[in-house]
Amino acid sequence: QQPVQSPQAVILREGEDAVINCSSSKALYSVHWYRQKHGEAPVFLMILLKGGEQKGHEKISASFNEKKQQSSLYLTASQLSYSGTYFCGTEIDTDKLIFGTGTRLQVFP
Amino acid sequence: DVKVTQSSRYLVKRTGEKVFLECVQDMDHENMFWYRQDPGLGLRLIYFSYDVKMKEKGDIPEGYSVSREKKERFSLILESASTNQTSMYLCASGNRHAFFGPGTRLTVL
Repeated sequence: QQPVQSPQAVILREGEDAVINCSSSKALYSVHWYRQKHGEAPVFLMILLKGGEQKGHEKISASFNEKKQQSSLYLTASQLSYSGTYFCGTEIDTDKLIFGTGTRLQVFP
Repeated sequence: DVKVTQSSRYLVKRTGEKVFLECVQDMDHENMFWYRQDPGLGLRLIYFSYDVKMKEKGDIPEGYSVSREKKERFSLILESASTNQTSMYLCASGNRHAFFGPGTRLTVL
Protein backbone atom coordinates (compact mmCIF):
# COMPACT_ATOMS: atom_id res chain seq x y z
CA GLN A 1 0.00 0.00 0.00
CA GLN A 2 2.99 2.29 0.38
CA PRO A 3 3.01 5.10 -2.19
CA VAL A 4 6.08 5.28 -4.42
CA GLN A 5 8.22 8.41 -4.28
CA SER A 6 10.70 9.56 -6.91
CA PRO A 7 13.46 10.42 -7.06
CA GLN A 8 15.00 8.75 -4.01
CA ALA A 9 17.53 11.54 -3.62
CA VAL A 10 18.15 15.03 -5.00
CA ILE A 11 21.21 17.25 -4.72
CA LEU A 12 20.79 20.95 -5.43
CA ARG A 13 22.66 24.23 -5.27
CA GLU A 14 20.94 27.10 -3.49
CA GLY A 15 18.47 28.79 -5.82
CA GLU A 16 17.77 25.71 -7.93
CA ASP A 17 14.35 24.09 -8.29
CA ALA A 18 13.25 20.51 -7.63
CA VAL A 19 10.18 18.33 -8.07
CA ILE A 20 9.35 15.30 -5.92
CA ASN A 21 6.69 12.89 -7.10
CA CYS A 22 4.38 10.59 -5.19
CA SER A 23 2.33 7.88 -6.86
CA SER A 24 -0.27 5.50 -5.47
CA SER A 25 -1.77 2.32 -6.89
CA LYS A 26 -5.08 3.09 -5.14
CA ALA A 27 -7.60 5.91 -5.32
CA LEU A 28 -6.69 8.62 -2.85
CA TYR A 29 -8.78 10.65 -0.47
CA SER A 30 -5.96 13.07 0.29
CA VAL A 31 -2.20 13.54 0.08
CA HIS A 32 0.00 15.00 2.83
CA TRP A 33 3.57 16.26 2.60
CA TYR A 34 6.04 16.26 5.50
CA ARG A 35 9.68 17.20 5.91
CA GLN A 36 12.07 15.53 8.34
CA LYS A 37 15.38 17.14 9.20
CA HIS A 38 18.21 14.95 10.40
CA GLY A 39 17.65 13.75 13.97
CA GLU A 40 14.21 15.34 14.22
CA ALA A 41 10.62 14.21 13.85
CA PRO A 42 8.73 14.75 10.57
CA VAL A 43 6.90 18.08 10.35
CA PHE A 44 3.70 18.70 8.41
CA LEU A 45 3.96 20.94 5.33
CA MET A 46 0.58 20.74 3.60
CA ILE A 47 -2.43 18.61 2.78
CA LEU A 48 -4.23 18.31 -0.55
CA LEU A 49 -7.75 16.98 -0.79
CA LYS A 50 -9.62 15.41 -3.70
CA GLY A 51 -10.38 18.00 -6.36
CA GLY A 52 -6.99 18.49 -8.01
CA GLU A 53 -6.07 21.48 -5.93
CA GLN A 54 -2.71 23.11 -5.67
CA LYS A 55 -1.43 24.52 -2.41
CA GLY A 56 1.55 26.59 -1.42
CA HIS A 57 3.76 27.05 1.62
CA GLU A 58 6.46 29.75 1.22
CA LYS A 59 8.27 28.71 -1.98
CA ILE A 60 7.07 25.14 -1.66
CA SER A 61 3.88 24.16 -3.43
CA ALA A 62 2.15 20.92 -4.39
CA SER A 63 -0.40 19.56 -6.80
CA PHE A 64 -2.72 16.56 -6.61
CA ASN A 65 -3.97 14.76 -9.69
CA GLU A 66 -6.78 12.59 -8.41
CA LYS A 67 -7.31 10.71 -11.68
CA LYS A 68 -3.68 9.71 -11.94
CA GLN A 69 -3.45 9.07 -8.19
CA GLN A 70 -0.34 11.25 -8.09
CA SER A 71 0.96 14.26 -6.25
CA SER A 72 4.00 16.41 -6.88
CA LEU A 73 5.89 18.71 -4.50
CA TYR A 74 7.59 21.73 -6.09
CA LEU A 75 10.50 23.43 -4.37
CA THR A 76 11.34 26.75 -5.97
CA ALA A 77 14.58 28.70 -5.51
CA SER A 78 15.74 26.23 -2.87
CA GLN A 79 17.34 27.40 0.36
CA LEU A 80 19.77 25.60 2.66
CA SER A 81 16.91 25.18 5.14
CA TYR A 82 15.05 22.98 2.64
CA SER A 83 17.49 20.13 3.19
CA GLY A 84 15.93 17.05 4.71
CA THR A 85 13.88 14.01 3.79
CA TYR A 86 10.46 14.62 2.27
CA PHE A 87 7.64 12.15 2.77
CA CYS A 88 4.29 11.98 1.09
CA GLY A 89 1.48 10.49 3.12
CA THR A 90 -1.66 9.14 1.52
CA GLU A 91 -5.13 8.51 2.82
CA ILE A 92 -7.05 5.80 0.98
CA ASP A 93 -9.60 5.29 3.72
CA THR A 94 -10.15 8.45 5.71
CA ASP A 95 -7.77 9.03 8.60
CA LYS A 96 -5.44 6.06 7.99
CA LEU A 97 -2.18 7.68 6.88
CA ILE A 98 0.34 5.63 4.86
CA PHE A 99 3.73 7.15 4.03
CA GLY A 100 6.10 6.66 1.13
CA THR A 101 9.76 5.71 1.34
CA GLY A 102 10.97 9.31 1.32
CA THR A 103 13.09 11.57 -0.89
CA ARG A 104 16.33 12.88 0.55
CA LEU A 105 17.02 16.47 -0.53
CA GLN A 106 20.40 18.12 0.01
CA VAL A 107 20.94 21.79 -0.77
CA PHE A 108 24.49 23.10 -0.97
CA PRO A 109 25.70 26.74 -1.01
CA ASP B 1 1.35 23.99 20.75
CA VAL B 2 0.48 20.35 20.21
CA LYS B 3 2.64 18.03 22.20
CA VAL B 4 3.22 14.36 21.48
CA THR B 5 5.55 12.75 23.96
CA GLN B 6 7.13 9.31 23.95
CA SER B 7 8.29 7.57 27.09
CA SER B 8 11.93 7.04 26.09
CA ARG B 9 14.32 8.43 23.46
CA TYR B 10 16.59 5.39 23.63
CA LEU B 11 15.84 1.88 24.79
CA VAL B 12 17.95 -1.29 24.84
CA LYS B 13 16.25 -4.65 25.39
CA ARG B 14 17.16 -8.31 25.10
CA THR B 15 15.63 -10.83 22.71
CA GLY B 16 12.46 -12.31 24.14
CA GLU B 17 11.68 -9.43 26.50
CA LYS B 18 8.26 -7.78 26.52
CA VAL B 19 8.63 -4.13 25.55
CA PHE B 20 6.19 -1.27 26.11
CA LEU B 21 6.47 2.00 24.19
CA GLU B 22 4.20 4.73 25.48
CA CYS B 23 2.87 7.75 23.61
CA VAL B 24 0.84 10.62 25.08
CA GLN B 25 -0.80 13.55 23.27
CA ASP B 26 -2.37 16.63 24.81
CA MET B 27 -4.70 17.83 22.02
CA ASP B 28 -7.70 15.54 22.40
CA HIS B 29 -7.07 13.91 19.02
CA GLU B 30 -9.16 10.88 18.05
CA ASN B 31 -6.47 9.46 15.75
CA MET B 32 -3.15 8.09 16.92
CA PHE B 33 -0.54 6.15 14.98
CA TRP B 34 2.56 4.03 15.48
CA TYR B 35 5.18 3.92 12.72
CA ARG B 36 8.61 2.43 12.45
CA GLN B 37 11.32 4.11 10.44
CA ASP B 38 14.15 2.17 8.83
CA PRO B 39 16.72 3.43 6.27
CA GLY B 40 15.40 3.12 2.74
CA LEU B 41 11.96 1.93 3.86
CA GLY B 42 10.45 5.22 4.93
CA LEU B 43 7.75 5.36 7.59
CA ARG B 44 5.78 2.15 7.82
CA LEU B 45 2.46 2.05 9.67
CA ILE B 46 2.28 -0.58 12.39
CA TYR B 47 -1.09 0.23 13.98
CA PHE B 48 -3.61 3.02 13.92
CA SER B 49 -6.29 3.91 16.48
CA TYR B 50 -9.28 6.12 15.64
CA ASP B 51 -10.88 6.11 19.08
CA VAL B 52 -10.50 4.70 22.57
CA LYS B 53 -10.30 0.90 22.44
CA MET B 54 -10.51 1.02 18.61
CA LYS B 55 -7.56 -0.08 16.53
CA GLU B 56 -6.74 -1.05 13.00
CA LYS B 57 -3.74 -2.93 11.62
CA GLY B 58 -1.30 -1.07 9.46
CA ASP B 59 1.06 -2.56 6.90
CA ILE B 60 3.40 -4.36 9.34
CA PRO B 61 1.49 -5.41 12.49
CA GLU B 62 3.18 -8.82 12.94
CA GLY B 63 4.96 -9.08 16.26
CA TYR B 64 3.23 -6.00 17.69
CA SER B 65 0.06 -5.22 19.59
CA VAL B 66 -1.40 -1.94 20.83
CA SER B 67 -3.53 -0.62 23.63
CA ARG B 68 -5.65 2.53 23.84
CA GLU B 69 -7.52 2.63 27.14
CA LYS B 70 -7.56 6.44 27.34
CA LYS B 71 -7.88 8.95 24.54
CA GLU B 72 -4.56 10.63 25.20
CA ARG B 73 -2.44 7.49 25.48
CA PHE B 74 -1.52 4.93 22.83
CA SER B 75 0.85 2.10 23.72
CA LEU B 76 2.82 -0.16 21.43
CA ILE B 77 3.70 -3.59 22.80
CA LEU B 78 6.35 -5.98 21.54
CA GLU B 79 5.25 -9.27 23.09
CA SER B 80 8.62 -10.97 22.58
CA ALA B 81 11.23 -8.63 21.18
CA SER B 82 13.40 -9.87 18.33
CA THR B 83 16.52 -8.37 16.76
CA ASN B 84 14.63 -7.48 13.57
CA GLN B 85 12.52 -5.10 15.63
CA THR B 86 15.53 -2.88 16.23
CA SER B 87 14.35 0.40 14.75
CA MET B 88 13.21 3.97 15.31
CA TYR B 89 9.59 4.05 16.50
CA LEU B 90 7.55 7.17 15.90
CA CYS B 91 4.18 7.92 17.43
CA ALA B 92 1.86 10.49 15.87
CA SER B 93 -1.55 11.95 16.59
CA GLY B 94 -3.89 14.19 14.66
CA ASN B 95 -7.37 14.48 13.25
CA ARG B 96 -6.59 16.36 10.04
CA HIS B 97 -2.85 15.91 9.80
CA ALA B 98 -0.26 14.18 11.95
CA PHE B 99 1.89 15.61 14.71
CA PHE B 100 4.86 13.40 15.50
CA GLY B 101 6.58 12.62 18.75
CA PRO B 102 10.39 12.71 19.02
CA GLY B 103 10.76 8.96 18.47
CA THR B 104 12.17 6.04 20.45
CA ARG B 105 15.28 4.35 19.13
CA LEU B 106 14.93 0.73 20.21
CA THR B 107 17.83 -1.69 20.08
CA VAL B 108 17.12 -5.38 20.65
CA LEU B 109 20.23 -7.41 21.49
